[in-house]
Parts: sequence; structure tokens; C-alpha cells
Amino acid sequence: DAEITQSPRHKITETGRQVTLACHQTWNHNNMFWYRQDLGHGLRLIHYSYGVQDTNKGEVSDGYSVSRSNTEDLPLTLESAASSQTSVYFCASSEAAKNEQFFGPGTRLTVL
Amino acid sequence: GEDVEQSLFLSVREGDSSVINCTYTDSSSTYLYWYKQEPGAGLQLLTYIFSNMDMKQDQRLTVLLNKKDKHLSLRIADTQTGDSAIYFCAEKWGQAGTALIFGKGTTLSVSS
Repeated sequence: DAEITQSPRHKITETGRQVTLACHQTWNHNNMFWYRQDLGHGLRLIHYSYGVQDTNKGEVSDGYSVSRSNTEDLPLTLESAASSQTSVYFCASSEAAKNEQFFGPGTRLTVL
Repeated sequence: GEDVEQSLFLSVREGDSSVINCTYTDSSSTYLYWYKQEPGAGLQLLTYIFSNMDMKQDQRLTVLLNKKDKHLSLRIADTQTGDSAIYFCAEKWGQAGTALIFGKGTTLSVSS
């Protein structure tokens, strides 16, 4: 069955380190999204992509970057992790021009 | 910019109806969405409504849309303990594409 996976599921890192969270989908969806979920803030859009080589900034993109070299993957990189980036990160994907987004299981990131 | 507001908590008894409310800001939103998040999981699309509709019913779920007031509600009839979850309202983010902006989420607690 087609699916969307995230790895790792849990990560603890130190302030200042570079961290990359993986997202992989097998639906061949053009659109992919990264969100972070924090108590009191709900889900906030970090970056998104509508196809290979396309990336766009979301609501809270500072300190994060993404790259889209193929359809299946949209890795999220924290260039220099900060304690404020401790959060649960969700990746999602959708078909082009369709709004239903399918979410991965999430990655819980702790920055010490 | 776009903003989506929801009340944070709702507590009901099993068998009662639940009504979760949401206000949004982008009057050009074509679709409005309700997503459900169960503990420890990603979000799943629950239902959606097209902006030219006032109401949509889907089994125990009824969505009401008041475009004039930019108010969206989700009614769950005969609420069950399995409906306990966080419910997110969402609308389109930005001028184009399928990125979404989510409310902070309403935690529904159902007691037996």
C-alpha cells in the first residue's frame, strides 16, 4: 500500500547541530508539506513544495530549509538547531490541485 | 494574513452532540476543512465543505458554513468515546496552490 513515512520518529540533539528529518511518500504526489505542532500554536506550515526543484516558504520558515530532488522525498533541515525548534514535526503530501493532505506519523525532535 | 481561530477545549458526555466552532479570515477560500488527530498520530481529513454550500452532512457529521460571518462549525451527533481527539479547522494558505493554514485545534473530551 502507498504510504508516507518519516524518520527518525524521535530525535534528541544539541543546540547548534545540523539536523535533517526525512519524509518519504510512495503515492507519487506532487505536493509535499512540512508542519510543526506545538502546544498553544496548533500546526504551522514551515515549507512546502509543488514539484521537483520547487520549494516555498511557509509561516515559520526561519531556521529551516528543504530541497526536492525527486518526487518521493522532501527532507527538512535545521541548519543550526535551537531549543525553540523542539517540537513535533509532521510531513504531509497531496495530489496536485487536490486539497486533501495525507500526514505522516510525525517526528518528535528535542533540542537540548 | 490568513488566520483561523478555534476554541481550545470541549467536554461532552457520550451520546450528546458536540459542536466545534471555527472562524477564518480568507473570504476567497474555495474549500474549508476539518481534520482529526488521534493521540500520537498525524492528522486525517474528516470532512470538507465547498464554499458555495451552507451545509454538508456525512453520517454523524454536519458541517455548517456561514460565509457572511466567516464561521464554520462541525457537529458530531451521538458523540462516542472514540471521537475523543483534537479537531482542526483549516483553510487555504496563500494565493495559489494547496497549502493549508490550520487553527490551533479543539480538544474534544468525551466522558462515558
